[in-house]
Amino acid sequence: GNSVTQMEGPVTLSEEAFLTINCTYTATGYPSLFWYVQYPGEGLQLLLKATKADDKGSNKGFEATYRKETTSFHLEKGSVQVSDSAVYFCAPYGNQFYFGTGTSLTVIP
Amino acid sequence: GAVVSQHPSWVICKSGTSVKIECRSLDFQATTMFWYRQFPKQSLMLMATSNEGSKATYEQGVEKDKFLINHASLTLSTLTVTSAHPEDSSFYICSARDRKSLEQYFGPGTRLTVT
Repeated sequence: GNSVTQMEGPVTLSEEAFLTINCTYTATGYPSLFWYVQYPGEGLQLLLKATKADDKGSNKGFEATYRKETTSFHLEKGSVQVSDSAVYFCAPYGNQFYFGTGTSLTVIP
Repeated sequence: GAVVSQHPSWVICKSGTSVKIECRSLDFQATTMFWYRQFPKQSLMLMATSNEGSKATYEQGVEKDKFLINHASLTLSTLTVTSAHPEDSSFYICSARDRKSLEQYFGPGTRLTVT
């Protein structure tokens, strides 16, 4: 069946530090891959996505590359800001979304 | 941008009572809406998929008589938790698929506590 394993948090970083949140998945076929972000008190927002192998999704300085050979979609950002503090969800999509457990990120000034 | 609202944002009810949660797409029409449940520090789990004007499709293990879903219009779906028990306490999140773009947007969630 389909599943996703996401790096557990919480993660605490200083402002301008480098961020990596690991995500690996198992799926039948080749799903589209998504990262969603949830800010405190708000709904899930689409952060970025990639629909086929080697595609790179990017938004707001975040990037993730669809790696078919390692079935991974790791989220990276070169320099985090306090405003990036949120919970991040990795979510492959085949015929439905499969969500990771979420990784809580706190960025301190 | 596309917005999905949920009401209420949190609710406390007594064991044995029923509670209704509304999900609305505010600036787009959604022929399909989804209901998820999230336990603390766990994944969102899909409970059911509702299509406007037809019966909802429930995921395996979800009691359809306990979690009643109605999708009466292109902008509104409701989830009613009937005869709630403490184990039903959870965070319920809805999502709506834009009928034009097919993008899926998520609501802010409703926290249900059953005492």
